[in-house]
Amino acid sequence: GDQVEQSPSALSLHEGTDSALRCNFTTTMRSVQWFRQNSRGSLISLFYLASGTKENGRLKSAFDSKERRYSTLHIRDAQLEDSGTYFCAAAGTGGNNKLTFGQGTVLSVIP
Amino acid sequence: EAAVTQSPRNKVTVTGGNVTLSCRQTNSHNYMYWYRQDTGHGLRLIHYSYGAGNLQIGDVPDGYKATRTTQEDFFLLLELASPSQTSLYFCASHRDTYAEQFFGPGTRLTVL
Repeated sequence: GDQVEQSPSALSLHEGTDSALRCNFTTTMRSVQWFRQNSRGSLISLFYLASGTKENGRLKSAFDSKERRYSTLHIRDAQLEDSGTYFCAAAGTGGNNKLTFGQGTVLSVIP
Repeated sequence: EAAVTQSPRNKVTVTGGNVTLSCRQTNSHNYMYWYRQDTGHGLRLIHYSYGAGNLQIGDVPDGYKATRTTQEDFFLLLELASPSQTSLYFCASHRDTYAEQFFGPGTRLTVL
């Protein structure tokens, strides 16, 4: 089945620094969603992209519009409240909208 | 933003127990999904539905049944719960065929 490979699996950032997370797809995907999961387990939706880029505050996401086989999430000026587990999830080009999730990136922002 | 609610939020049962997890959305969404998330992993799809009365099998369906009684309500049934079904369960929904999925707050199930 469709595979979503997310990297890195864990990341430590100092406050104020920038970084990027990446998801590679083993096949062409139709759309991608990015989530942050907090310590209570709640999934917070960050972005939904069918193509191009979206930006929200210090977060920016891009979905490769050409081959549709990877997506990135950029974090600018990391803050303590950005800590959590980040997931990407992609929907394939078949006749349904099933999401395949990556394994997650555990992000720790340290003072 | 679309709202998806789940109940209960936490549930503890014993091996062999009968459990029903409920999901409701009032956004006229056609598509609804049940996922499970195990510690340290992403979500995996159990069952999903295109509309009232419709059921589709997901990627990890063994041990689960589902029922979509109305457009709003989607239930996940564990008729003989096992410890391997201890997990965090999420429901999601969306309106159109290819659209953003909206997730509920999750139900934490423990099977002793």
